[in-house]
Amino acid sequence: GAVVSQHPSWVICKSGTSVKIECRSLDFQATTMFWYRQFPKQSLMLMATSNEGSKATYEQGVEKDKFLINHASLTLSTLTVTSAHPEDSSFYICSEATDGETQYFGPGTRLLVL
Amino acid sequence: GNSVTQMEGPVTLSEEAFLTINCTYTATGYPSLFWYVQYPGEGLQLLLKATKADDKGSNKGFEATYRKETTSFHLEKGSVQVSDSAVYFCALITDSWGKLQFGAGTQVVVTP
Repeated sequence: GAVVSQHPSWVICKSGTSVKIECRSLDFQATTMFWYRQFPKQSLMLMATSNEGSKATYEQGVEKDKFLINHASLTLSTLTVTSAHPEDSSFYICSEATDGETQYFGPGTRLLVL
Repeated sequence: GNSVTQMEGPVTLSEEAFLTINCTYTATGYPSLFWYVQYPGEGLQLLLKATKADDKGSNKGFEATYRKETTSFHLEKGSVQVSDSAVYFCALITDSWGKLQFGAGTQVVVTP
C-alpha cells in the first residue's frame, strides 16, 4: 500500500506556543487529506478534510483558527496547532486518499503541551 | 446520523483460539464497510473492506461479511497468533469525500 509519513512523531511544547505537524505522501499524489485526533484508548475523531489548493472543511466543534490546515501540494499537508494548551495534548493522525474510499494513514504525531 | 458500535475490549485470547469482534452500524443509504488494524506503535492499516450487501472481505486469515439485514460487519479469524495483538477498528464511509466514521476500537491481546 501507499506510504504516508508524519513529522515529528513526538513533540513536547510549552503552553501558548504553536506546533506544526507535517503529513507527506511518499509514493502517490493524494487528492484528499484527512486529519484525525485520537485520545487514549478512544477512537479517531475526524477534525477536517482538505483538498489540494482549497480551504479545509472542518467538522463541527473543531476550531478553525486553532487548528490551521494547509494542503499546499498533492504530497504535503500541514496541521498547525496555534497557541497550544494542555487540553490540546493528543495523538494527531493524518490520512490520504486518492479514490474516495481507500485511506492511507500516517503513523501519527503525539503532542504533549506542558 | 451515522454511527458504528463495536464490542468493548480488551479481548484476551490464547494463541490458536477463534476470534470474533462484533460490529454493527447505523447509516443512511448503503455504506462501504471497513476493518482497520492498529498495531502497537504503528499507524492504522486497512485490513479488509466490503462495499455492498453480502460481500465478504478477507485478508491475513480475517473475514467479515456485510450483512444488510442485521446491519453488521463482524470480524472473525479462525486461529489467532500473538502477532494479531492490536487494536481493531470498524468503520464506514457514506459520502463521496470518503470520510470515515470509526467505531471505538477493540483491543485484542493474544497470549502464547
